[in-house]
Formats: sequence, C-alpha cells, structure tokens
Amino acid sequence: DGGITQSPKYLFRKEGQNVTLSCEQNLNHDAMYWYRQDPGQGLRLIYYSQIVNDFQKGDIAEGYSVSREKKESFPLTVTSAQKNPTAFYLCASSIAAYGANVLTFGAGSRLTVL
Amino acid sequence: GNSVTQMEGPVTLSEEAFLTINCTYTATGYPSLFWYVQYPGEGLQLLLKATKADDKGSNKGFEATYRKETTSFHLEKGSVQVSDSAVYFCALTNTGFQKLVFGTGTRLLVSP
Repeated sequence: DGGITQSPKYLFRKEGQNVTLSCEQNLNHDAMYWYRQDPGQGLRLIYYSQIVNDFQKGDIAEGYSVSREKKESFPLTVTSAQKNPTAFYLCASSIAAYGANVLTFGAGSRLTVL
Repeated sequence: GNSVTQMEGPVTLSEEAFLTINCTYTATGYPSLFWYVQYPGEGLQLLLKATKADDKGSNKGFEATYRKETTSFHLEKGSVQVSDSAVYFCALTNTGFQKLVFGTGTRLLVSP
C-alpha cells in the first residue's frame, strides 16, 4: 500500500546535538511538507517542497534544515539552533502544492530533548 | 491573513450522543475547507472536505457544510461511537500555494 513512512517514531536528543528525521513516500507525490505539532497549538508548517531539488521555508523554519534530493524523500534536520525542539513532527505529501489537494500524513516522530 | 478557530476541548460524550464541533474561519477569496482526524499516537488523516460554498462534505457518518455567510464549517455526527474518540482538526487552504492552516484541534472523548 502507498503511504508515508516516518522514522524513528521516538527520538531522544541531548542539548547541542543535531538530529535527522526521515520521511519517505511511495505515492509519487510532487509536494512534501514538514509540520510541527505542540499541545494546544495545532500544526505549524516548518518547510515544504514543491518539487525535487527545491524547498521553501514555512512559518517556523528557524533552527531546521531540509533537503529534497529524491522525489520520495524529504528528511528534516533539527539543529542545535532550535531553541525548543521537543515536539511531535509530522511529514505530509500531496499530488501538488497548489489547489485543494488532500494531504497524506505519516504517523509522526516524537522528539524529546533531554 | 487566513485563520481557523475551533471550539476548545475536550468534548466528552456518551456513546450514541449527537456531536457538534464548531469551526469558523477567516480568509480572503474562496478557501477550501477540511476536517482531519488524529487517532492516538498517529498522524492526521482526511475526514472530509468541501471546496465551495454550500458544499457538504461527508464520511463515516460525519458531515460538515461550507457556510460562506457565517464563515463556518461545523462538524456533526448523529450518533458517536467509542471508536470516534480522537482529536479533530479544522483546516483551510486558499487559492495559490496550498498552505494548510489548521485550527488548534478539539479532543473528543466518547464513553460507553
């Protein structure tokens, strides 16, 4: 079945360390997204990519970086510059980044900073 | 700018009760409206959507009608089940780049 796979499901990080969250999709979708979810705040867009080798900052990109070298993959790196990285991270994809297309979400990765 | 406001939760109901979760929005132009559901420990999945005024989205017994005059997209279900316990997110996307704007989510707890 087609879908989005995020890994790891749980991740613990010491302060000052960079960590990378994996996101892979086999839906042949052009657009991919990273959202951050915090209790009581809904979802906030970190980065998005409309096509391979292209990505754009979302609303809260500071302290994060991404790459889109392959259509199927959109990894997110949480750098030591992110002041409050403990959160639930959700990757999503859609056929295209324009129009009322439905987003398909992965199961999420929960990052905890010790 | 675009924004979505949802009622605060949690909403606590007994099985077979009627459910309403309120959602209002602010947007320019003609947004598309969505309800996503998140079950415990999982990502979000689309529940229903409506792309123009007066459209009704429906799925799994849930319904929501796009009301432009009241800028609302309230979620309803006639008889909830324990398995409906989840967090429900109202969202919109506007013309141009599909940046989904989410509400803060409403947790629904259904007891037997």
